[in-house]
Amino acid sequence: DIQLTQSPSPLSASLGDRVTITCQASQDIHTSLNWYQQKPGKAPKLLIYDISNLHKGVPSRFSGSGSGTDFTLTIRNLQPDDVATYYCQQYDDLPLTFGGGTTVDLK
Amino acid sequence: EVQLVESGGGLVQPGGSLRLSCAASEFPFSGYWMNWVRQAPGKGLQWVASIKQDGSDKYYVESVKGRFTISRDNAKNSLYLEMNSLRADDTALYYCVRGLSIGYDLFDSWGQGTLVTVSS
Repeated sequence: DIQLTQSPSPLSASLGDRVTITCQASQDIHTSLNWYQQKPGKAPKLLIYDISNLHKGVPSRFSGSGSGTDFTLTIRNLQPDDVATYYCQQYDDLPLTFGGGTTVDLK
Repeated sequence: EVQLVESGGGLVQPGGSLRLSCAASEFPFSGYWMNWVRQAPGKGLQWVASIKQDGSDKYYVESVKGRFTISRDNAKNSLYLEMNSLRADDTALYYCVRGLSIGYDLFDSWGQGTLVTVSS
Protein backbone atom coordinates (compact mmCIF):
# COMPACT_ATOMS: atom_id res chain seq x y z
CA ASP A 1 0.00 0.00 0.00
CA ILE A 2 1.12 3.56 -0.65
CA GLN A 3 1.67 5.44 2.60
CA LEU A 4 1.15 9.19 2.78
CA THR A 5 2.91 11.06 5.58
CA GLN A 6 1.71 14.54 6.40
CA SER A 7 3.54 17.17 8.41
CA PRO A 8 3.39 19.08 10.58
CA SER A 9 0.53 18.16 12.84
CA PRO A 10 -0.83 20.05 14.49
CA LEU A 11 -0.04 23.44 13.05
CA SER A 12 -0.74 26.72 14.84
CA ALA A 13 -0.61 29.94 12.86
CA SER A 14 -1.81 33.53 13.02
CA LEU A 15 -4.36 35.26 10.87
CA GLY A 16 -2.75 36.42 7.66
CA ASP A 17 0.06 33.88 7.85
CA ARG A 18 1.25 31.72 5.00
CA VAL A 19 0.80 28.09 5.97
CA THR A 20 2.49 25.13 4.31
CA ILE A 21 1.46 21.49 4.76
CA THR A 22 3.53 18.72 3.25
CA CYS A 23 2.51 15.26 2.12
CA GLN A 24 5.17 12.66 1.35
CA ALA A 25 4.31 9.46 -0.49
CA SER A 26 6.12 6.17 0.10
CA GLN A 27 6.58 5.78 -3.67
CA ASP A 28 6.20 7.82 -6.83
CA ILE A 29 2.52 8.65 -7.30
CA HIS A 30 3.10 10.89 -10.34
CA THR A 31 0.32 13.49 -10.38
CA SER A 32 -2.30 11.42 -8.53
CA LEU A 33 -2.72 13.58 -5.46
CA ASN A 34 -5.74 15.39 -4.04
CA TRP A 35 -6.34 17.53 -0.95
CA TYR A 36 -9.42 17.72 1.26
CA GLN A 37 -10.53 20.07 4.00
CA GLN A 38 -12.58 18.88 6.96
CA LYS A 39 -13.99 21.38 9.42
CA PRO A 40 -14.93 20.19 12.92
CA GLY A 41 -18.12 18.14 12.90
CA LYS A 42 -18.48 18.34 9.13
CA ALA A 43 -17.89 16.07 6.16
CA PRO A 44 -14.68 16.56 4.20
CA LYS A 45 -14.69 18.70 1.09
CA LEU A 46 -12.53 18.42 -1.99
CA LEU A 47 -10.07 21.29 -2.07
CA ILE A 48 -7.49 20.56 -4.76
CA TYR A 49 -7.24 17.76 -7.31
CA ASP A 50 -4.39 16.49 -9.47
CA ILE A 51 -1.81 18.29 -7.32
CA SER A 52 -2.70 21.87 -8.15
CA ASN A 53 -6.20 22.29 -9.56
CA LEU A 54 -8.62 24.15 -7.32
CA HIS A 55 -12.06 22.58 -6.97
CA LYS A 56 -14.95 24.90 -7.81
CA GLY A 57 -15.58 27.55 -5.21
CA VAL A 58 -12.25 27.14 -3.43
CA PRO A 59 -10.61 30.50 -2.68
CA SER A 60 -7.49 31.34 -4.63
CA ARG A 61 -5.46 31.68 -1.41
CA PHE A 62 -5.21 27.88 -1.54
CA SER A 63 -2.64 26.31 -3.82
CA GLY A 64 -0.99 22.96 -4.35
CA SER A 65 2.30 21.87 -5.83
CA GLY A 66 4.74 19.00 -6.06
CA SER A 67 5.43 15.87 -8.02
CA GLY A 68 6.57 12.31 -7.58
CA THR A 69 6.70 11.75 -3.83
CA ASP A 70 6.62 15.24 -2.32
CA PHE A 71 3.62 17.52 -2.34
CA THR A 72 2.61 20.76 -0.69
CA LEU A 73 -0.62 22.52 0.21
CA THR A 74 -0.18 26.24 0.80
CA ILE A 75 -2.65 28.64 2.35
CA ARG A 76 -1.80 32.29 1.85
CA ASN A 77 -3.27 34.91 4.18
CA LEU A 78 -4.78 32.45 6.67
CA GLN A 79 -8.40 33.21 7.52
CA PRO A 80 -10.59 32.08 10.46
CA ASP A 81 -12.63 29.96 8.02
CA ASP A 82 -9.48 27.94 7.24
CA VAL A 83 -9.38 26.34 10.70
CA ALA A 84 -9.76 22.68 9.77
CA THR A 85 -7.99 19.39 9.27
CA TYR A 86 -6.44 18.87 5.86
CA TYR A 87 -5.89 15.48 4.24
CA CYS A 88 -3.95 14.45 1.18
CA GLN A 89 -5.14 11.43 -0.83
CA GLN A 90 -3.53 9.38 -3.59
CA TYR A 91 -5.19 7.50 -6.40
CA ASP A 92 -2.12 6.21 -8.23
CA ASP A 93 -2.80 2.72 -6.97
CA LEU A 94 -5.31 0.73 -4.96
CA PRO A 95 -6.01 0.83 -2.13
CA LEU A 96 -6.78 4.52 -2.28
CA THR A 97 -5.11 6.04 0.76
CA PHE A 98 -5.19 9.23 2.77
CA GLY A 99 -2.54 10.97 4.79
CA GLY A 100 -3.02 11.13 8.54
CA GLY A 101 -4.25 14.71 8.43
CA THR A 102 -2.89 18.09 9.51
CA THR A 103 -4.97 20.14 11.90
CA VAL A 104 -4.60 23.90 11.43
CA ASP A 105 -5.66 26.18 14.25
CA LEU A 106 -5.15 29.79 15.22
CA LYS A 107 -2.56 30.99 17.68
CA GLU B 1 -26.35 20.87 -5.64
CA VAL B 2 -25.39 17.22 -5.21
CA GLN B 3 -27.28 15.53 -2.39
CA LEU B 4 -26.09 12.34 -0.72
CA VAL B 5 -28.03 11.11 2.30
CA GLU B 6 -26.82 8.06 4.21
CA SER B 7 -28.92 5.87 6.47
CA GLY B 8 -28.82 2.49 8.15
CA GLY B 9 -26.16 3.03 10.77
CA GLY B 10 -26.58 2.01 14.37
CA LEU B 11 -25.32 -0.13 17.21
CA VAL B 12 -24.54 -3.74 16.35
CA GLN B 13 -22.83 -6.54 18.22
CA PRO B 14 -19.53 -7.98 17.06
CA GLY B 15 -20.18 -10.56 14.37
CA GLY B 16 -23.41 -8.86 13.38
CA SER B 17 -24.56 -7.37 10.11
CA LEU B 18 -25.75 -4.02 8.88
CA ARG B 19 -26.80 -2.55 5.55
CA LEU B 20 -26.04 1.06 4.81
CA SER B 21 -27.94 3.01 2.16
CA CYS B 22 -27.22 6.25 0.38
CA ALA B 23 -29.89 8.18 -1.48
CA ALA B 24 -28.45 10.34 -4.21
CA SER B 25 -30.12 13.26 -5.95
CA GLU B 26 -29.51 16.38 -8.00
CA PHE B 27 -27.08 14.68 -10.37
CA PRO B 28 -27.15 11.80 -12.91
CA PHE B 29 -26.34 9.02 -10.46
CA SER B 30 -25.84 6.33 -13.10
CA GLY B 31 -23.06 8.36 -14.68
CA TYR B 32 -20.67 8.34 -11.71
CA TRP B 33 -18.44 6.03 -9.76
CA MET B 34 -19.55 5.88 -6.15
CA ASN B 35 -17.61 5.18 -2.99
CA TRP B 36 -17.75 4.56 0.74
CA VAL B 37 -15.19 6.25 2.96
CA ARG B 38 -15.13 5.86 6.74
CA GLN B 39 -13.73 7.74 9.69
CA ALA B 40 -13.27 6.15 13.09
CA PRO B 41 -14.04 8.45 16.03
CA GLY B 42 -11.27 11.04 16.35
CA LYS B 43 -9.27 9.45 13.55
CA GLY B 44 -8.48 10.06 9.90
CA LEU B 45 -10.17 9.03 6.68
CA GLN B 46 -10.10 5.53 5.23
CA TRP B 47 -11.35 4.52 1.80
CA VAL B 48 -13.57 1.43 2.06
CA ALA B 49 -14.97 0.56 -1.37
CA SER B 50 -15.71 1.85 -4.87
CA ILE B 51 -18.18 0.76 -7.55
CA LYS B 52 -18.33 1.57 -11.23
CA GLN B 53 -21.37 3.10 -12.87
CA ASP B 54 -22.90 -0.19 -14.00
CA GLY B 55 -21.69 -2.19 -11.00
CA SER B 56 -19.32 -4.25 -13.14
CA ASP B 57 -16.20 -3.23 -11.22
CA LYS B 58 -15.92 -3.13 -7.44
CA TYR B 59 -12.88 -2.51 -5.27
CA TYR B 60 -12.34 -2.86 -1.53
CA VAL B 61 -9.75 -2.09 1.10
CA GLU B 62 -8.16 -5.33 2.22
CA SER B 63 -9.56 -5.22 5.75
CA VAL B 64 -13.17 -5.49 4.54
CA LYS B 65 -12.76 -7.91 1.63
CA GLY B 66 -15.04 -10.90 2.03
CA ARG B 67 -17.09 -9.14 4.70
CA PHE B 68 -18.44 -6.02 2.98
CA THR B 69 -20.26 -5.75 -0.36
CA ILE B 70 -20.83 -2.52 -2.23
CA SER B 71 -23.74 -2.35 -4.64
CA ARG B 72 -25.97 0.16 -6.36
CA ASP B 73 -29.43 0.48 -7.87
CA ASN B 74 -29.33 3.10 -10.58
CA ALA B 75 -33.10 2.98 -11.03
CA LYS B 76 -33.45 4.07 -7.41
CA ASN B 77 -30.44 6.40 -7.39
CA SER B 78 -29.11 4.47 -4.43
CA LEU B 79 -25.81 3.13 -3.17
CA TYR B 80 -25.49 0.37 -0.59
CA LEU B 81 -22.91 -1.20 1.68
CA GLU B 82 -23.71 -4.63 3.07
CA MET B 83 -21.54 -5.24 6.12
CA ASN B 84 -21.18 -8.70 7.67
CA SER B 85 -19.00 -10.16 10.41
CA LEU B 86 -18.62 -6.73 11.89
CA ARG B 87 -15.72 -6.06 14.24
CA ALA B 88 -15.02 -3.38 16.79
CA ASP B 89 -12.54 -1.74 14.44
CA ASP B 90 -15.33 -1.20 11.89
CA THR B 91 -16.79 1.39 14.25
CA ALA B 92 -16.81 4.62 12.26
CA LEU B 93 -18.79 7.29 10.52
CA TYR B 94 -19.45 5.98 7.03
CA TYR B 95 -19.61 8.52 4.23
CA CYS B 96 -21.23 8.03 0.85
CA VAL B 97 -19.03 9.83 -1.66
CA ARG B 98 -19.33 10.60 -5.34
CA GLY B 99 -16.38 9.89 -7.59
CA LEU B 100 -15.82 10.89 -11.17
CA SER B 101 -17.52 9.80 -14.34
CA ILE B 102 -14.20 8.41 -15.53
CA GLY B 103 -13.01 6.73 -12.37
CA TYR B 104 -12.62 6.61 -8.61
CA ASP B 105 -9.77 9.13 -8.69
CA LEU B 106 -11.26 11.67 -6.36
CA PHE B 107 -14.13 12.26 -3.99
CA ASP B 108 -15.90 15.42 -5.04
CA SER B 109 -19.14 15.32 -3.04
CA TRP B 110 -19.73 13.81 0.39
CA GLY B 111 -22.79 12.96 2.41
CA GLN B 112 -23.00 13.77 6.11
CA GLY B 113 -22.32 10.20 7.13
CA THR B 114 -24.03 7.48 9.12
CA LEU B 115 -22.50 6.18 12.33
CA VAL B 116 -21.83 2.49 12.80
CA THR B 117 -20.92 1.33 16.29
CA VAL B 118 -19.81 -2.26 16.83
CA SER B 119 -19.93 -3.13 20.49
CA SER B 120 -21.31 -5.71 22.87
